[in-house]
Amino acid sequence: AQTVTQSQPEMSVQEAETVTLSCTYDTSESDYYLFWYKQPPSRQMILVIRQEAYKQQNATENRFSVNFQKAAKSFSLKISDSQLGDAAMYFCAYRSARTGGGADGLTFGKGTHLIIQP
Amino acid sequence: DAGITQSPRYKITETGRQVTLMCHQTWSHSYMFWYRQDLGHGLRLIYYSAAADITDKGEVPDGYVVSRSKTENFPLTLESATRSQTSVYFCASLRGTSSHGELFFGEGSRLTVL
Repeated sequence: AQTVTQSQPEMSVQEAETVTLSCTYDTSESDYYLFWYKQPPSRQMILVIRQEAYKQQNATENRFSVNFQKAAKSFSLKISDSQLGDAAMYFCAYRSARTGGGADGLTFGKGTHLIIQP
Repeated sequence: DAGITQSPRYKITETGRQVTLMCHQTWSHSYMFWYRQDLGHGLRLIYYSAAADITDKGEVPDGYVVSRSKTENFPLTLESATRSQTSVYFCASLRGTSSHGELFFGEGSRLTVL
């Protein structure tokens, strides 16, 4: 079974600064997908960014980018120019790419609470 | 509006009572999921469904029952609620059938069992 580990229960960053959230995972598979979800106080789960394991290029979405290290099984999220609206819980998640992998849904880490200091 | 809706958003019940959490999606997505979110555990999969009349257990299915008579609805029932089932419950659906599809979540249902 796959596991996802987020070793930072809480992180704090000054507004406009850059912060990196860590995520490691354990899998015996070679093809899979990785995700970062954001959960603001409203509780809504929002997809931030997605990475396909077969792609070497790191995914980027505006101020959000990832550092995907397949050999190290590491998938960190970098938030540049942090804004007050970035304050939320951030979850790292894994999904197998094998046929019927959708049936497994996502395996989530325990989350990192990001605080933005004004 | 298209989307995925859960009801009720908040529910307080007593130990031993039956509770049903409703989930409705308007996209006709095949796959649907129920997760529970607890502090220190992240989100854990309770049950999922690949299509109408096809359901299967996830990581933490004990104490829960699901059904899927129609593609758009995926209710979750706690047949005899226990305090350990106090949690926030999320329903989700998967766009497409391939693994890279995006999961869309409802807004969650906060359940308190006294």
